Amino acid sequence: AQSVTQLDSHVSVSEGTPVLLRCNYSSSYSPSLFWYVQHPNKGLQLLLKYTSAATLVKGINGFEAEFKKSETSFHLTKPSAHMSDAAEYFCVVSDWVGSQGNLIFGKGTKLSVKP
Amino acid sequence: EAGVTQFPSHSVIEKGQTVTLRCDPISGHDNLYWYRRVMGKEIKFLLHFVKESKQDESGMPNNRFLAERTGGTYSTLKVQPAELEDSGVYFCASSQDGGGNEQFFGPGTRLTVL
Repeated sequence: AQSVTQLDSHVSVSEGTPVLLRCNYSSSYSPSLFWYVQHPNKGLQLLLKYTSAATLVKGINGFEAEFKKSETSFHLTKPSAHMSDAAEYFCVVSDWVGSQGNLIFGKGTKLSVKP
Repeated sequence: EAGVTQFPSHSVIEKGQTVTLRCDPISGHDNLYWYRRVMGKEIKFLLHFVKESKQDESGMPNNRFLAERTGGTYSTLKVQPAELEDSGVYFCASSQDGGGNEQFFGPGTRLTVL
């Protein structure tokens, strides 16, 4: 069965410092992986996606993630945090076992950014 | 282009009552998905429509939940009768194609059952 594990429920960083949100996945197939972000009172927004092209994926707002098959990881990074990055982030795998790519979510990581 | 919209944004009902949630997908998106996040848990898939047909409803928790998508446009999710454990945030998403492509999410409906 496919699954994702987000290793941290909360991450706190200072503004201007790097961000690392960790995600490990389990999949019997070549996975499609996503990072979504949810700001308070907003819908989920796609940050970036990996679909077996380049292993380093660049997303919006300066975020990027690297697909590492050997480590079954898809960690999200950003070189310098901004106050507006404070939100909840979800690592997601597309469920190819089910029909047409239903999404399987990790439990989420809440990112706090201190001034 | 308008995004996915959901109505209402919040709903507070008593146990045993009925509630109907509505989702309007992005125009032209054949695929419509419902997800739910119960407090403290991960977001979980409920069901998937392709146009007006239910493609996969394996995530529906029980027969108190009924989803429809008449005409292949908007969708409703009815909970009847509601139970305490149904409280959570219900998300709707739509996509043009299935198969791992980007799903566009609505803001969610927060349901509280007292």
